[in-house]
Amino acid sequence: GAGVSQSPSNKVTEKGKDVELRCDPISGHTALYWYRQSLGQGLEFLIYFQGNSAPDKSGLPSDRFSAERTGGSVSTLTIQRTQQEDSAVYLCASSLGPSGPISSYNEQFFGPGTRLTVL
Amino acid sequence: TQLLEQSPQFLSIQEGENLTVYCNSSSVFSSLQWYRQEPGEGPVLLVTVVTGGEVKKLKRLTFQFGDARKDSSLHITAAQTGDTGLYLCAGRSRGSTLGRLYFGRGTQLTVWP
Repeated sequence: GAGVSQSPSNKVTEKGKDVELRCDPISGHTALYWYRQSLGQGLEFLIYFQGNSAPDKSGLPSDRFSAERTGGSVSTLTIQRTQQEDSAVYLCASSLGPSGPISSYNEQFFGPGTRLTVL
Repeated sequence: TQLLEQSPQFLSIQEGENLTVYCNSSSVFSSLQWYRQEPGEGPVLLVTVVTGGEVKKLKRLTFQFGDARKDSSLHITAAQTGDTGLYLCAGRSRGSTLGRLYFGRGTQLTVWP
């Protein structure tokens, strides 16, 4: 089946505008994660969904960042009033979640990312 | 504060050479994973280690988890140009099997022909 898909692949916006980034997880995966990757940095955790709820949103850097997940599937990450420091690659991952076999160690499968550039 | 420290940050070697990448922390992890990422793509899982002292081999790649489950290493034997990429280690908190991963900053490996 298809892997994790993200759209758009690239987004250029002006400082102060709002942006929405979309993630389509692998079908049947109940867990969904958003990470951010800046140049020269590893992946920075943003938020984790289990189903439609977010038991861990500790990584969201400010209240300009929000995310939702509907129907236990697609997720949208919204950044309001974008700043230049928000420029990064935003990666989404999904995993089987608690119903998956122990042997899978809840492997996270990543999408290709959305490259966000704030001018 | 970076929970996982990776070294070296950059590594440039010739084909056929051996190399080791290190991933260190002062924290204990329930599992540690190694990923490889190529430009324009998301990270792809190479291996998961869960038991202290565990050694896993994947063809020319050897992964080791420290006895105290705080550190790990990746050793590549006879590197090939196809091994070029960003290698990331990631850990999951002690007692956790779900939720976030803590990533190191990565090691950018370039293998020259």
